[in-house]
Amino acid sequence: DIQMTQSPSSVPASVGDRVTITCRASQDINNWLAWYQQKPGTAPKLLIYAASNLQSGVPLRFSGSGSGTDFTLTISNLQPEDFATYYCQQANFFPPYTFGQGTKLEI
Amino acid sequence: QGQLVESGGGVVQPGGSLRLSCAASGFTFRNHGMHWVRLAPGKGLEWMTYMRYDGSETHYADSVKGRFTISRDNFKNTLYLQMTSLRPEDTGVYYCARDLVTTNTRYFDSWGQGTPVTVSS
Repeated sequence: DIQMTQSPSSVPASVGDRVTITCRASQDINNWLAWYQQKPGTAPKLLIYAASNLQSGVPLRFSGSGSGTDFTLTISNLQPEDFATYYCQQANFFPPYTFGQGTKLEI
Repeated sequence: QGQLVESGGGVVQPGGSLRLSCAASGFTFRNHGMHWVRLAPGKGLEWMTYMRYDGSETHYADSVKGRFTISRDNFKNTLYLQMTSLRPEDTGVYYCARDLVTTNTRYFDSWGQGTPVTVSS
């Protein structure tokens, strides 16, 4: 099975900061990577697909990059509504469709 | 993007069974593969199972293989998850999610609000 390792597991930040979350796959997954945001008590929300494509309606301060085994999610100019948990997910080798363990963005 | 609404969660004793439903609307359900994903307390998202749009292919996580069964009714626009031999570690919120696959990627583009399952004596 593919392992997805996110870092850090939590990151303290402030409104206006720029934050980068990394995700490493245990083998080459091309660009079959998505990023999701989840706030407590709500459904996960797709942010980025195919490593760098912004889902419709997602603010431009979110961006994704990477290919192969190393990927990043960057959030520029953090807003209060961005404090949430972020997950990467691979869909190149399945099953399983592996999620990273999550990164909690904290004030 | 349509709407997905889960139901059927509740409290069940270890060893018990439960059937979850996911009602789809606002899109052509029969054209999409579907997944179930779990969020256990204090843990991250865990993919559980997948069914192809026409029901011809299914995948399961090792943790639920042989105990959970995914199914769908394309006439009723509904996805199901039959859970048997439930364990305390199956406790969590269960989400259904729509599969979107292209020639060069795949992702879950629409999610339900989740239904909670608690396995406890």
